[in-house]
Amino acid sequence: NAGVTQTPKFRILKIGQSMTLQCTQDMNHNYMYWYRQDPGMGLKLIYYSVGAGITDKGEVPNGYNVSRSTTEDFPLRLELAAPSQTSVYFCASSRLAANTGELFFGEGSRLTVL
Amino acid sequence: AQSVTQLDSQVPVFEEAPVELRCNYSSSVSVYLFWYVQYPNQGLQLLLKYLSGSTLVKGINGFEAEFNKSQTSFHLRKPSVHISDTAEYFCAVSDNSGGSNYKLTFGKGTLLTVNP
Repeated sequence: NAGVTQTPKFRILKIGQSMTLQCTQDMNHNYMYWYRQDPGMGLKLIYYSVGAGITDKGEVPNGYNVSRSTTEDFPLRLELAAPSQTSVYFCASSRLAANTGELFFGEGSRLTVL
Repeated sequence: AQSVTQLDSQVPVFEEAPVELRCNYSSSVSVYLFWYVQYPNQGLQLLLKYLSGSTLVKGINGFEAEFNKSQTSFHLRKPSVHISDTAEYFCAVSDNSGGSNYKLTFGKGTLLTVNP
């Protein structure tokens, strides 16, 4: 069972570069999420999606973009990377809405911006 | 809006000792409550959740938590811990009033270290 798969696991970017973090799930979940985790700060929601073609901003969307063209995939795009975007990024999915359902998380993508 | 306070950032214990990880929340509406666990270099996984019913909730790996509405707490307990329980534990709260159903508010985490 693959669950939620994120790539790449590690990446170093230079300031101003762009990249896309890939996320795919094989559980046919409608809901998908992107979180960032900073040391001692818990998880903050960047963007979420309730189904293909529908996305919305979370708590910290600035500097990021998402798309959801299929149920399975939910890529996160970083434009003009900044040191403040150094973080660990987690993609998650759920069958039910996050407030009641279990979120299934990927293993994370560790991004460093220098 | 909700907020979650995990009162201890680190909790060291010896193997086979009991442990309690404390979580308090603040909310202007009714809530659902969750505990997630993150093992080293992995994503989070659900340990247990309270949606309704009995205030004592049992989860995986022998953990349990008790919802105390008057004290706005949801403390996590295990009577006897193992080395393999070493991980970071996150308390989370969500809105059950029919408002923001996409949002989980996470605490900052408690690192449980079990020593032999």
